[in-house]
Amino acid sequence: ILNVEQSPQSLHVQEGDSTNFTCSFPSSNFYALHWYRWETAKSPEALFVMTLNGDEKKKGRISATLNTKEGYSYLYIKGSQPEDSATYLCASSGSARQLTFGSGTQLTVLP
Amino acid sequence: EAQVTQNPRYLITVTGKKLTVTCSQNMNHEYMSWYRQDPGLGLRQIYYSMNVEVTDKGDVPEGYKVSRKEKRNFPLILESPSPNQTSLYFCASSPYPLAGPHQGELFFGEGSRLTVL
Repeated sequence: ILNVEQSPQSLHVQEGDSTNFTCSFPSSNFYALHWYRWETAKSPEALFVMTLNGDEKKKGRISATLNTKEGYSYLYIKGSQPEDSATYLCASSGSARQLTFGSGTQLTVLP
Repeated sequence: EAQVTQNPRYLITVTGKKLTVTCSQNMNHEYMSWYRQDPGLGLRQIYYSMNVEVTDKGDVPEGYKVSRKEKRNFPLILESPSPNQTSLYFCASSPYPLAGPHQGELFFGEGSRLTVL
């Protein structure tokens, strides 16, 4: 079983602040790193899937980077808005045919 | 509309009473998977399926069964539910197998909240 860890566990920021969280994963036998956003009472939705070392992806104010050699990924949110409040999940796939999820970072953006 | 549909969304049952949670996707995805979500823990995989008639255990398969007789359906069966199976369950599908260079994002159903008394 892969060990995927996310930090911090929870985070409160003010509207307009920029923030970032970390996902660490075993760097051996790496295939892909996924980021999902999970809003309360909804289902998780994919933000990014990254496979290559040095990958950077962006969707609006949200971006992510990937370092497969050292086994970490950062998710950045620029100018946080209340609608960004959600739990952000990362997941890694190794040599097995399955994704292993971290326990998530719960973000609350205060107006 | 492309979607993954789970039923029931909410269920309260009693120990030992067999139940099935259905999952259906209309996107012609090869890969389907079941996860459970418990407080403080990440999504943990129960079973997955790479294609019709191909299923494999995930990290927490004990007490569950699955079948994949058709591409679109992947039901989760609890033969004899116990209180420790009280959880939020998600079905998900993906257009690619997760192994190999082509990695597909997961599309999740809306979740099924199960309580076993």
